Amino acid sequence: DTGVSQDPRHKITKRGQNVTFRCDPISEHNRLYWYRQTLGQGPEFLTYFQNEAQLEKSRLLSDRFSAERPKGSFSTLEIQRTEQGDSAMYLCASSHPGQTQETQYFGPGTRLLVL
Amino acid sequence: SQQGEEDPQALSIQEGENATMNCSYKTSINNLQWYRQNSGRGLVHLILIRSNEREKHSGRLRVTLDTSKKSSSLLITASRAADTASYFCATDLYGNNRLAFGKGNQVVVIP
Repeated sequence: DTGVSQDPRHKITKRGQNVTFRCDPISEHNRLYWYRQTLGQGPEFLTYFQNEAQLEKSRLLSDRFSAERPKGSFSTLEIQRTEQGDSAMYLCASSHPGQTQETQYFGPGTRLLVL
Repeated sequence: SQQGEEDPQALSIQEGENATMNCSYKTSINNLQWYRQNSGRGLVHLILIRSNEREKHSGRLRVTLDTSKKSSSLLITASRAADTASYFCATDLYGNNRLAFGKGNQVVVIP
């Protein structure tokens, strides 16, 4: 169990640019979640996958955001035409099927700064 | 919008003292969870209490849940400097693991 990993850990971009983040969940975890956290706030749910299927998307996820999990393993979150309001920590989590499914294991996050 | 609301927002205590923080929520839940976040280790799951449970213990942690008042408390006994962190409650509203987090409780334990 190597934990959830995210890449990159930090990203600085200019407004209008596209960015893509990657999340590698714990192996055999079939559920993968994306959250966004701004300073002084708790994480806010964005979307989640069960295997490769994206089952739910928050209203926070505008058309500029897209997430994929093509083979049911790693996931990517892309933000197109970034805005300053997109600056936040993007957290990924995964959970294991079965009784422990409620426990989500979080990665270290990708901190995005849009200038 | 955030489901959980922790109270108090910030707490500063001496090492060895107990720390108590509360969380309230608005709608029916399947379970309530507490997470800890610090700069070194990210967001870590601490304890989960189901809607049909009233109290749960894990090491130095004690969680209570009062569904009639829609509130939960987290007690950390014999605090240590390493307990310095932000503590979040999170509720699973729909039974699909879509967690709704509160704003967090910042705890500072002074050695």
